[in-house]
Amino acid sequence: GQQVMQIPQYQHVQEGEDFTTYCNSSTTLSNIQWYKQRPGGHPVFLIQLVKSGEVKKQKRLTFQFGEAKKNSSLHITATQTTDVGTYFCANRPPDSSYKLIFGSGTRLLVRP
Amino acid sequence: EAEVAQSPRYKITEKSQAVAFWCDPISGHATLYWYRQILGQGPELLVQFQDESVVDDSQLPKDRFSAERLKGVDSTLKIQPAELGDSAMYLCASSPGLQSPLHFGNGTRLTVT
Repeated sequence: GQQVMQIPQYQHVQEGEDFTTYCNSSTTLSNIQWYKQRPGGHPVFLIQLVKSGEVKKQKRLTFQFGEAKKNSSLHITATQTTDVGTYFCANRPPDSSYKLIFGSGTRLLVRP
Repeated sequence: EAEVAQSPRYKITEKSQAVAFWCDPISGHATLYWYRQILGQGPELLVQFQDESVVDDSQLPKDRFSAERLKGVDSTLKIQPAELGDSAMYLCASSPGLQSPLHFGNGTRLTVT
């Protein structure tokens, strides 16, 4: 399957600082989805990006899809303690049976 | 808001025993997924159903794992015999269609001793 690499694996920030996680692929992605998993919880869908260069915002969260559709990023402005969790990108390889493959995730910790 | 139901929430079993997990997707969702998530890693797809048919089970260890969705609604995932390395969270998810975002259940945390 198509592998996506997520960086960083882990980030610890002071509340109020910004945070960015990146999802990179060596091949062109048809689409990208982002999920958030709180500690002890299950993944919850955040957004889906499909178009080259697409940018979507949800309050303090900004999602981008690269022009070449080989990378994506999630940026959180002025983090809050409620942002704590692991953020996963996921994609459906174009040659697959629509299966959704998850990245390894970026774990975010926020110091109050 | 409708949720994906999973049971049990926790399961402890001894190696070589059989174990089964149950999932009831959101009503009307045709696509059902079973994922395994090892602590600190992303979910790994085990099997995907479209209605009652298996769409993908390429990562399912078929010598010990089986999954069914006989009536195209709820689903059961079975492991027999369980091995120590099977200890993980087993997540069920559903979606309205093959291209739609996934809705996850709370999962079953399996510990094999």
